[in-house]
Amino acid sequence: KNEVEQSPQNLTAQEGEFITINCSYSVGISALHWLQQHPGGGIVSLFMLSSGKKKHGRLIATINIQEKHSSLHITASHPRDSAVYICAVRTRGYQKVTFGTGTKLQVIP
Amino acid sequence: NAGVTQTPKFQVLKTGQSMTLQCAQDMNHEYMSWYRQDPGMGLRLIHYSVGAGITDQGEVPNGYNVSRSTTEDFPLRLLSAAPSQTSVYFCASSQGTVDNSPLHFGNGTRLTVT
Repeated sequence: KNEVEQSPQNLTAQEGEFITINCSYSVGISALHWLQQHPGGGIVSLFMLSSGKKKHGRLIATINIQEKHSSLHITASHPRDSAVYICAVRTRGYQKVTFGTGTKLQVIP
Repeated sequence: NAGVTQTPKFQVLKTGQSMTLQCAQDMNHEYMSWYRQDPGMGLRLIHYSVGAGITDQGEVPNGYNVSRSTTEDFPLRLLSAAPSQTSVYFCASSQGTVDNSPLHFGNGTRLTVT
């Protein structure tokens, strides 16, 4: 079993829909990262969180440390949100960062 | 600031050839790391460094060497390329320890070994 599991693997949404991507992990962590990767492009950091909730524009990230679960929400989705969203965790006490396999999101106009 | 710069963007090698993937950052970041990304798998850590002169192995270090002679540069060397090393390689950096600062990624190097 992977240390970091994301769901769903693929997601297609209509423009304007509310989107949720989930991330579950099995190890003790010191931080969780949400990253975005556009087709053919690089990877950018969206959020880094260790507790609670963070918001940036239409994106919201939450984490529940007790349940070892995080969610990334996109409100009023837009075709430019189409990308792969990756969850990554830093294992407590180590420098290692473990990545999920990503969720491929396509938003249709 | 240029951020994290990786070169080349694309590379084709024959089995047995060697090459160096370059990574440079201009943010004075202490932490630098190399990952490979393969279809259906998450990014996997190859090697990392927490400062000049300090390197350590990640999950998949075999066939790769690194060195960190300066804060800015962290090259990845393939000693004798194999088809299994066909992948997309990303370099990333962060300030201080990873758990209190975001990761900054380069644009990747797509490597094909024939």
